[in-house]
Amino acid sequence: NAGVTQTPKFQVLKTGQSMTLQCAQDMNHEYMSWYRQDPGMGLRLIHYSVGAGITDQGEVPNGYNVSRSTTEDFPLRLLSAAPSQTSVYFCASRRSHDQPQHFGDGTRLSIL
Amino acid sequence: AQSVAQPEDQVNVAEGNPLTVKCTYSVSGNPYLFWYVQYPNRGLQFLLKYITGDNLVKGSYGFEAEFNKSQTSFHLKKPSALVSDSALYFCAVREGDTGRRALTFGSGTRLQVQP
Repeated sequence: NAGVTQTPKFQVLKTGQSMTLQCAQDMNHEYMSWYRQDPGMGLRLIHYSVGAGITDQGEVPNGYNVSRSTTEDFPLRLLSAAPSQTSVYFCASRRSHDQPQHFGDGTRLSIL
Repeated sequence: AQSVAQPEDQVNVAEGNPLTVKCTYSVSGNPYLFWYVQYPNRGLQFLLKYITGDNLVKGSYGFEAEFNKSQTSFHLKKPSALVSDSALYFCAVREGDTGRRALTFGSGTRLQVQP
């Protein structure tokens, strides 16, 4: 049982490049979320999904896209990377609305 | 709207002493409250939650938290701190039953336990 798996663990991009951060969970959780963590700001929600085919915007969605074609996978796409998107990105999943979230170990992204 | 405040950026405590990490929240309805811990270069790990019931909640690694509705607080406590408790702690809230389904996190409190 791997839990929540994020790939890659580290990535360096140039401004304007696009990329996809992968997130997969093997717990059959309906709810999945993407957060970014910046110093002194805690975790801010980017996008979330309450089931396959259903996504919604969080607090800081601009510059990011998501899709949820399967229960297991919830990729995050950066459309045109900007230095302000340099951050640590965490994917999380949970079984239901009153259950705790399980987090991946994060993707450390630097935009030059 | 929902929000969480962790008023202390850092808490320092000597090993063996009790520790408290403070958290206050704001939600429209009944709160679902959570504490998470983060060790360096890792994701967040769940410690404990309050959904309903007893105001004193016990969690992992000897931690507990007290829900106080009148003060809208959910402080994390441990009777005797260990050096290994040194980490970054996050409080989080979600509106229960209705409203937003996503968690809102506080800015985090770094706990430093000195030997």
